[in-house]
Amino acid sequence: SQQGEEDPQALSIQEGENATMNCSYKTSINNLQWYRQNSGRGLVHLILIRSNEREKHSGRLRVTLDTSKKSSSLLITASRAADTASYFCATDTGFQKLVFGTGTRLLVSP
Amino acid sequence: ETGVTQTPRHLVMGMTNKKSLKCEQHLGHNAMYWYKQSAKKPLELMFVYNFKEQTENNSVPSRFSPECPNSSHLFLHLHTLQPEDSALYLCASSRPYRDLSTEAFFGQGTRLTVV
Repeated sequence: SQQGEEDPQALSIQEGENATMNCSYKTSINNLQWYRQNSGRGLVHLILIRSNEREKHSGRLRVTLDTSKKSSSLLITASRAADTASYFCATDTGFQKLVFGTGTRLLVSP
Repeated sequence: ETGVTQTPRHLVMGMTNKKSLKCEQHLGHNAMYWYKQSAKKPLELMFVYNFKEQTENNSVPSRFSPECPNSSHLFLHLHTLQPEDSALYLCASSRPYRDLSTEAFFGQGTRLTVV
């Protein structure tokens, strides 16, 4: 069954603006991860946040996790055209079963 | 480059053909995965191997047959596929779960079209 659901499904912004994507999930997790996928290519790991963490930063990325609401958000600050891609959250429920959501398609216009 | 290489990148096959997808990693990982990505669907986990042993089969039809001869190589053998099996097949690897870090490294995928 599907674990993660991203919101919105698609997001269109201008360069320099911030992009926020949300992920909701259904069961208890060990950690939650965000991945990026350029069109028709493999996924690239962006950031991992453990279930006992509430916020994590990596460069222009900021991830929050609210286990009581079973939700996470990914914020990309000062977006660039090169950030155009699909972004997926993946929940690790244990035993190496990463379950992915349907993703958010981000378009950053110059 | 993520360190995970998949071949071929594109494959067109008839429903009666037999073909194989190959995945190779030199990251020293001991866990390898096959995922299927279809249009407008979440990535579907198909198989998981740990130290060459299959530890997960997510109710995948028998027309998909995985093989893991060693920790660096993973194959997906395909036979008598259906058009709905057309998708992007992604291989990934990671450290074993006991390392408590399941960041996955993905290959570029094989775009499979069944005609």
